[in-house]
Amino acid sequence: EAQVTQNPRYLITVTGKKLTVTCSQNMNHEYMSWYRQDPGLGLRQIYYSMNVEVTDKGDVPEGYKVSRKEKRNFPLILESPSPNQTSLYFCASSLSTGYGNTEAFFGQGTRLTVV
Amino acid sequence: AQSVTQLGSHVSVSEGALVLLRCNYSSSVPPYLFWYVQYPNQGLQLLLKYTTGATLVKGINGFEAEFKKSETSFHLTKPSAHMSDAAEYFCAVTRAGLYNNNDMRFGAGTRLTVKP
Repeated sequence: EAQVTQNPRYLITVTGKKLTVTCSQNMNHEYMSWYRQDPGLGLRQIYYSMNVEVTDKGDVPEGYKVSRKEKRNFPLILESPSPNQTSLYFCASSLSTGYGNTEAFFGQGTRLTVV
Repeated sequence: AQSVTQLGSHVSVSEGALVLLRCNYSSSVPPYLFWYVQYPNQGLQLLLKYTTGATLVKGINGFEAEFKKSETSFHLTKPSAHMSDAAEYFCAVTRAGLYNNNDMRFGAGTRLTVKP
């Protein structure tokens, strides 16, 4: 089954404690991205990757890191989480063609609470 | 850069009534347009998309949307609402063209409530 898998689904952590949210897709998609969803703001892109070893900042990258060492995996790293990073996070992947990206496939989401 | 505006953060309809969720976009190049639905505690699921060709696109669960370039709109409709349609709906835009695009932009979302 084609899917994007995020882990964990729920996470409560304390300020400053490094954490990683994993994302894996089995569709051989080139393009992967991370979003955060906050009430009234919709989804905002944090980072994206157009292929292995190619990553770039989205609209709200501060406080986050990513890596893309393999095509299928795109982990999101919070080196020193702060309460304003409490949010619902989504990983997405899409097939990148010469005519633009196709639709994005989303993971189930990770609800992060930083206390 | 593209952007999306969804008019109305909350829409409430009665079961059996018409559903109309509004989306206006801004894009300097031909857009690809999408509607996604998010059910509680789930990820986003594609409802329908417009890339090229017919401007009236049909999606899953009886939804459809019409791309109107002159109005820069991509409103989502369903003739008769069902209780199971209650969810949050997101309009999104990305660029079409002979280059990799990387900036899908989402609207703020519209929460649809269906009253019995």
